[in-house]
Amino acid sequence: QVQLKESGPGLVQPSETLSLTCTVSGFSLTSYSVSWVRQPSGKGPEWMGRMWYDGDTAYNSALKSRLSISRDTSKNQVFLKMNSLQTDDTGTYYCTRDSHYFDYWGQGVMVTVSS
Amino acid sequence: DIQMTQSPASLSASLGETVTIECRASEDIYNGLAWYQQKPGKSPQLLIYNANSLHTGVPSRFSGSGSGTQYSLKINSLQSEDVASYFCQQYYDYPDTFGAGTKLELK
Repeated sequence: QVQLKESGPGLVQPSETLSLTCTVSGFSLTSYSVSWVRQPSGKGPEWMGRMWYDGDTAYNSALKSRLSISRDTSKNQVFLKMNSLQTDDTGTYYCTRDSHYFDYWGQGVMVTVSS
Repeated sequence: DIQMTQSPASLSASLGETVTIECRASEDIYNGLAWYQQKPGKSPQLLIYNANSLHTGVPSRFSGSGSGTQYSLKINSLQSEDVASYFCQQYYDYPDTFGAGTKLELK
């Protein structure tokens, strides 16, 4: 069955870089795109960026200068790196299978930006 | 960016009641709209895509409708397990954007 699982640190210092990994199973990264979506506590989700099935990427312009998404198809993994983190980057980060809409989601990883 | 305005922000309804949640886009999104349900402490789950298509395994009491800039999610015969927050998302144009959500509680 389709599964996605995020991993990474739960606490990041202000101005530091966040690195997250999404490990997928049940589908191929060369057939489906994967997006990263984050959600501050009690608020609506925000789409961050997309790794297309063909290896291309797309980013939310609000985050583009800080965000990088890459993948390793041999390991079924998609990576997120975002630099210069601030306190308003605190929230839950999800990876999702992307069929334009997000039909499967990981469990999410809570990231707190604090010193 | 396309702005998605959801209403109401919160809603209280009784078991068995029919509930409707609205989502208005700041411009025409040509049915590029999805609805998600999120229970406390859980990740969002897809309910509806392409404005009116039911995702696999979603109960038929959920339905979506609308066109242009106005869309709605209807829940017939409300069940206790429907208590959750609901979000709309447009994927017609970059960047994908979400509504702020509707919190549904039991009366």
